[in-house]
Parts: sequence; C-alpha cells; structure tokens
Amino acid sequence: DGGITQSPKYLFRKEGQNVTLSCEQNLNHDAMYWYRQDPGQGLRLIYYSQIVNDFQKGDIAEGYSVSREKKESFPLTVTSAQKNPTAFYLCASQSPGASTDTQYFGPGTRLTVL
Amino acid sequence: QKEVEQNSGPLSVPEGAIASLNCTYSDRGSQSFFWYRQYSGKSPELIMFIYSNGDKEDGRFTAQLNKASQYVSLLIRDSQPSDSATYLCAVNRKPGNKLTFGGGTRVLVKP
Repeated sequence: DGGITQSPKYLFRKEGQNVTLSCEQNLNHDAMYWYRQDPGQGLRLIYYSQIVNDFQKGDIAEGYSVSREKKESFPLTVTSAQKNPTAFYLCASQSPGASTDTQYFGPGTRLTVL
Repeated sequence: QKEVEQNSGPLSVPEGAIASLNCTYSDRGSQSFFWYRQYSGKSPELIMFIYSNGDKEDGRFTAQLNKASQYVSLLIRDSQPSDSATYLCAVNRKPGNKLTFGGGTRVLVKP
C-alpha cells in the first residue's frame, strides 16, 4: 500500500520545546517538501529536498530544521526559535522526471503550542 | 501583489450548476499549474494539472489555462454537495519544482 505517512496526527508543544514531525513515503519519490498552513490560508513552503543528504530552505525556514538521511524519510523539527508554530504541517513528495512534477500530500500533523 | 491570487469566497452554487473558480499568477515563467481540493481538516488532494494553453477536461472538472493573461481557472460541472470544499490553485517554480499556493476559494454547493 503505497503512500505518504505523517505522524503524529496531533501534537502539543510547550513553550521552549523542540518537536519533530515525521514524514515517510514508500513511493520511491526523490523530492520531498514541507509546507505550513495557517487557518484560512494557502500553503507556504518551509524546506525541500530533491535528493538524499541535500535540502534547501523554502520561503519560511526560520525556526525549522530538517534532515534527509534516507530517501524515504524527511523529518521536520520545529525549534523553540519558531515564534508562532501553531499550524497544520503538510509533507509532500514528488515523482521523478521533468515532465511529471506533481506533488502528493500526506495526511498532515496539526501542531498546537500550549 | 501576491504571487498567486484567488478569490477567497465563499462561492455558493446550487446543486447541479457549474462552479467557476479563478486564479491569477505573477510569474510569467511558470510552466505547470495545479488544482487541489481540500476538505476541512484534511490534506490537499490533486484534482488536475495543466501545462498547455487551452482546456483540459477530466470527468466533471475542466481546467483552463491562458498564459498570456496569466490566468488559470477550474470549472466544476453538475456540482454536488460533496464538492463543497476549499480549492487551492498552485503554480510551479523553478528551481526545485517548488509550488506556490493561492489562499484558496471556498465552495459551497447547496442542495
């Protein structure tokens, strides 16, 4: 059963804590992406990775960090430096090939700061 | 000016009617355009993508692209209550095949 999984579904964080969101895919996709969605708004790109052991900052990378040690996994850490982390976090992956640049999304993680 | 703009709605349509959603973008170099549907509390799911000027039909959905006018639209024919959702327009950016999203249009289909 191929797809993208994200865990946990809901996450609560106290002020000053770092938390890590998991994203795993078994679609053999090279590229993976992290987006953030705030209520009533579109998605904004946090980080992306086109290949293992390489990643680039997106539009709102401050306060976040990522790693890409395996093709299947692209975890996102929300650090204490992120001042307003409460949001819906979405991971996506993209099939290889220049003509097929469609991104598919996981189910998301909803993060709330207490 | 936002990179990708959509009317936030809500767009209210009676069941069986055509819903017409619009999206404008600012980057003339954009090559790929996507429509995603997002139900409340869920992640976006791909409805259609379009690369070339003109129309592309898939079932009850038709995407229309006009690169000269920097405009992409989505038509939903025979709208059903299950089509009630937020529709997100996304535009591809190079390098990295990054997507820039509009804020979404909320559609309400009334029985």
